[in-house]
Amino acid sequence: ETGVTQTPRHLVMGMTNKKSLKCEQHLGHNAMYWYKQSAKKPLELMFVYSLEERVENNSVPSRFSPECPNSSHLFLHLHTLQPEDSALYLCASSQDRGWQPQHFGDGTRLSIL
Amino acid sequence: QKEVEQNSGPLSVPEGAIASLNCTYSDRGSQSFFWYRQYSGKSPELIMSIYSNGDKEDGRFTAQLNKASQYVSLLIRDSQPSDSATYLCAFEGFQKLVFGTGTRLLVSP
Repeated sequence: ETGVTQTPRHLVMGMTNKKSLKCEQHLGHNAMYWYKQSAKKPLELMFVYSLEERVENNSVPSRFSPECPNSSHLFLHLHTLQPEDSALYLCASSQDRGWQPQHFGDGTRLSIL
Repeated sequence: QKEVEQNSGPLSVPEGAIASLNCTYSDRGSQSFFWYRQYSGKSPELIMSIYSNGDKEDGRFTAQLNKASQYVSLLIRDSQPSDSATYLCAFEGFQKLVFGTGTRLLVSP
């Protein structure tokens, strides 16, 4: 039990589909993150939310749209993705934004056809 | 120049040996350094943090930091097969955590 739960674990979608990734944490943390992990590349920070406000958008294409309705939930809405977007998408949380990510979810393995 | 340099490995060590994982980083001003362990198909797990020059020990793990050389390492004593994983080095830089690509460690029985 990592404390951070992501669904779905695997997702295959076409380039014209719309889907959403979900992340949930019940650790009482105030900061949540989306990371992208591609083969042979470092973890890339995509978005940071602190107390439900987006505090960082790391030059991510607009086909990725995050949403944080409350401090326990984080979504990543996907639309018109490209094959190079196939990767492992990891959600993480930390007590506050100034801390390093303390707990990661197991990720969603995304494949774009 | 990559922000964090790690040898991708695999680094193979026999059970009971000391595994030494190394990392260099680009930001001279960074004050915080971290090691994460990631098992295959699993998420990264924070295992060590170090903020001052020198050594920091936690059980079988020792993190070593040399800011002058921009070098951080992780030593695993008495390596076990269960230590086989990818180890990610990260530092607090450019207002975010910057990760390396990781070193794959294989501990053989």
